[in-house]
Amino acid sequence: SQQGEEDPQALSIQEGENATMNCSYKTSINNLQWYRQNSGRGLVHLILIRSNEREKHSGRLRVTLDTSKKSSSLLITASRAADTASYFCATDADNNDMRFGAGTRLTVKP
Amino acid sequence: EPEVTQTPSHQVTQMGQEVILRCVPISNHLYFYWYRQILGQKVEFLVSFYNNEISEKSEIFDDQFSVERPDGSNFTLKIRSTKLEDSAMYFCASSEIGTGAAYEQYFGPGTRLTVT
Repeated sequence: SQQGEEDPQALSIQEGENATMNCSYKTSINNLQWYRQNSGRGLVHLILIRSNEREKHSGRLRVTLDTSKKSSSLLITASRAADTASYFCATDADNNDMRFGAGTRLTVKP
Repeated sequence: EPEVTQTPSHQVTQMGQEVILRCVPISNHLYFYWYRQILGQKVEFLVSFYNNEISEKSEIFDDQFSVERPDGSNFTLKIRSTKLEDSAMYFCASSEIGTGAAYEQYFGPGTRLTVT
């Protein structure tokens, strides 16, 4: 089964810097989604990018998708301490289930 | 804004006991899901449910697990005889549409299951 795999596993930056997280997957997908999880809490949907899209923006978030390389990146610009969380990519193919990666744990220091 | 709710937020049970985790999906959603996340590990898909039947299930979702939509609002996950390794955070999710289209799954806050 396909699964997104994020890297790095952990990322620590200063407030105001940009944070880039990457995700790779193994098989063809219909779409790829990024989720955020604050420690011990539920998952919050951030952004969805379809397989025929290459880039998408939402506020300070920018997601790219390269289907030839089976990879995606999530960029958070001008990071804030409140962005500290784990970020997961999730992929789905022809069935109804989403496969999550292990996540990147982002720490933004004030 | 509509949201997925889950109860209880924390459930402690003894090994071998049955537990039922409850979820109320968003009212106009048609697809329902359960995921689990063992502490410190990735979120894992368990099962998807549509039109009163299971659409997909993972290898984790064995005979010990079952799901049900007993009425028009609740969606439950039952674990018949809990094991220590069932200790995890269980997330319910729902979506308006499913396969073949871009869809967003909305997640509940999770139920932390602790099996002792």
